[in-house]
Amino acid sequence: DQQVKQNSPSLSVQEGRISILNCDYTNSMFDYFLWYKKYPAEGPTFLISISSIKDKNEDGRFTVFLNKSAKHLSLHIVPSQPGDSAVYFCAASENSNYQLIWGAGTKLIIKP
Amino acid sequence: EPEVTQTPSHQVTQMGQEVILRCVPISNHLYFYWYRQILGQKVEFLVSFYNNEISEKSEIFDDQFSVERPDGSNFTLKIRSTKLEDSAMYFCASSDTKLNYGYTFGSGTRLTVV
Repeated sequence: DQQVKQNSPSLSVQEGRISILNCDYTNSMFDYFLWYKKYPAEGPTFLISISSIKDKNEDGRFTVFLNKSAKHLSLHIVPSQPGDSAVYFCAASENSNYQLIWGAGTKLIIKP
Repeated sequence: EPEVTQTPSHQVTQMGQEVILRCVPISNHLYFYWYRQILGQKVEFLVSFYNNEISEKSEIFDDQFSVERPDGSNFTLKIRSTKLEDSAMYFCASSDTKLNYGYTFGSGTRLTVV
């Protein structure tokens, strides 16, 4: 039962261009969404979050968009930099719970 | 910058043996978690721990697993009678709030059951 889906296992983007990572969810009770970034041999690092009362949250080069009707969120990175090459995980929770439900991750490769 | 420390970084154990994975959370954090990632699969929640007791656990966290905070600094995950399918990367995390974005993850322990 995949409640959080990241359908693209990998994505390759030219340096300087926009990277768009997508995430879909099925549980309408989710009201808090997060993106984590993970480098090899390291734990996931929190990147940006959004609650269901918003449809956009921006932090520097990173913007997360939430479309509740479509149960879809996306992470935009612009401009993409070589250091952005990592695996990006989408995660969701029902606010009152501790449990994060994670997607399978998308490996982002930034080409010079 | 404070960090969550996990030891060992890699543990190889024989099937049926018990293993203890160790974590030192950030010192002023109050909420502790274990997650795992089987190679090539998604990150899965195992358990959360607060005020010296389990707050929430997933279906994965059955009687084979236990957690403990034995001395106020370490947070351990014990896996009894390991199975081949327990092979995974195990991540410890801690936070100072219940809000999920406050997690700080450790670098993980790769457990290989042979």
